[in-house]
Amino acid sequence: QLQLQEPGPGLVKPSETLSLTCSVSGGSISSSSYYWGWIRQPPGKGLEWIGNIYYSGSTYYNPSLKSRVTISVDTSKNHFSLKVSSVTAADTAVYYCARLDLWAVDYWGQGTLVTVSS
Amino acid sequence: QTVVTQEPSFSVSPGGTVTLTCGLSSGSVSTSSYPSWYQQTPGQAPRTLIYSTNTRSSGVPDRFSGSILGNKAALTITGAQADDESDYYCVLYVGNGIVVFGGGTKLTVL
Repeated sequence: QLQLQEPGPGLVKPSETLSLTCSVSGGSISSSSYYWGWIRQPPGKGLEWIGNIYYSGSTYYNPSLKSRVTISVDTSKNHFSLKVSSVTAADTAVYYCARLDLWAVDYWGQGTLVTVSS
Repeated sequence: QTVVTQEPSFSVSPGGTVTLTCGLSSGSVSTSSYPSWYQQTPGQAPRTLIYSTNTRSSGVPDRFSGSILGNKAALTITGAQADDESDYYCVLYVGNGIVVFGGGTKLTVL
């Protein structure tokens, strides 16, 4: 059974860079059938797509976040990562990693709360 | 920027049928939008219900069904149960590798 885990830093200071890594087990991140993505949810609000990456490294980003977001993949470690630069309190959210098939999420990580605060 | 629209809230009686919709701020939803639907209860990760318009994810009861109704995607719950009370989100593929979440519908069963 595929599992995705995204342990995170928990607390990030304003203006710094948020970094998260999603470890994939029970399957290969190099599968040609899937995209790997990040989704976030601010407290009490809805879900927001951040971006996707293919195992080859091709990336697609939410236009509203594109200038601050980088998603990368490391096939040797079977994981993919998210960086969000110049964070503010508005970036406080539960961050989920996910696998996408046919532009839908079929597997979700459990989510990790990242708080931006000094 | 593309906006995906959902009803903010909906109410259904136990045993009743409810249809939630998912539209685009400009244009129509089609099967090429690959509509998908997710259920989320407080404090939990979302659960995938439907993908590719009308395909149920593994383990999802058949009282959940997806379709295209007019120019929108739709999620129909037939025979609503108390534990269907959740937030429901749709996702649409809008091209160029970009997907967009709707704002979510809070469903109350009472």
